Amino acid sequence: KAGVTQTPRYLIKTRGQQVTLSCSPISGHRSVSWYQQTPGQGLQFLFEYFSETQRNKGNFPGRFSGRQFSNSRSEMNVSTLELGDSALYLCASSLASGMETQYFGPGTRLLVL
Amino acid sequence: GNSVTQMEGPVTLSEEAFLTINCTYTATGYPSLFWYVQYPGEGLQLLLKATKADDKGSNKGFEATYRKETTSFHLEKGSVQVSDSAVYFCALSGGGSSASKIIFGSGTRLSIRP
Repeated sequence: KAGVTQTPRYLIKTRGQQVTLSCSPISGHRSVSWYQQTPGQGLQFLFEYFSETQRNKGNFPGRFSGRQFSNSRSEMNVSTLELGDSALYLCASSLASGMETQYFGPGTRLLVL
Repeated sequence: GNSVTQMEGPVTLSEEAFLTINCTYTATGYPSLFWYVQYPGEGLQLLLKATKADDKGSNKGFEATYRKETTSFHLEKGSVQVSDSAVYFCALSGGGSSASKIIFGSGTRLSIRP
């Protein structure tokens, strides 16, 4: 069974731009969660989507948003990029919301210049 | 709120040495506990988990026991290999917060010398 896939793997943007990251969960998994990893703040939960609805949200500004499609694929969008948004963005999938075992993708590394 | 504290690294050991990485947690209920590993340039891989007190998670020679009385979940391996070099994250979910939201420790970088 294929794992979680994320595209693109690497991205370079400039301040003020916006970016969209994509995540395809493991086949049959319906919950997708997003995390941000930075050297300073470590791994932080962004949000979770299940059945095309946001179920949980972390403490990030409204510039960070997401959505989920009927095939469970998810996208994350960051508008008005700031230098501090440079990070590894990880997507994780699980069978359903509330299932504690999550499987992570390889991440998208975003660099904001 | 819930939190995870793990020993700071980096930890450097010689091949075949015994490994312990300490992890303690704070949670209001009964969380599930995890160890994830991150190899250079990659995402996170679930190494092992335990979902209730006294459970022992094990995988690839690594073990960790859920100790409710000491709120700990220390990672151990009897004989490390160079290929074990990676960053290890202790984590929890549930226990008073959403089971979908994983709370991670800060990570411990492990380097194994041949």
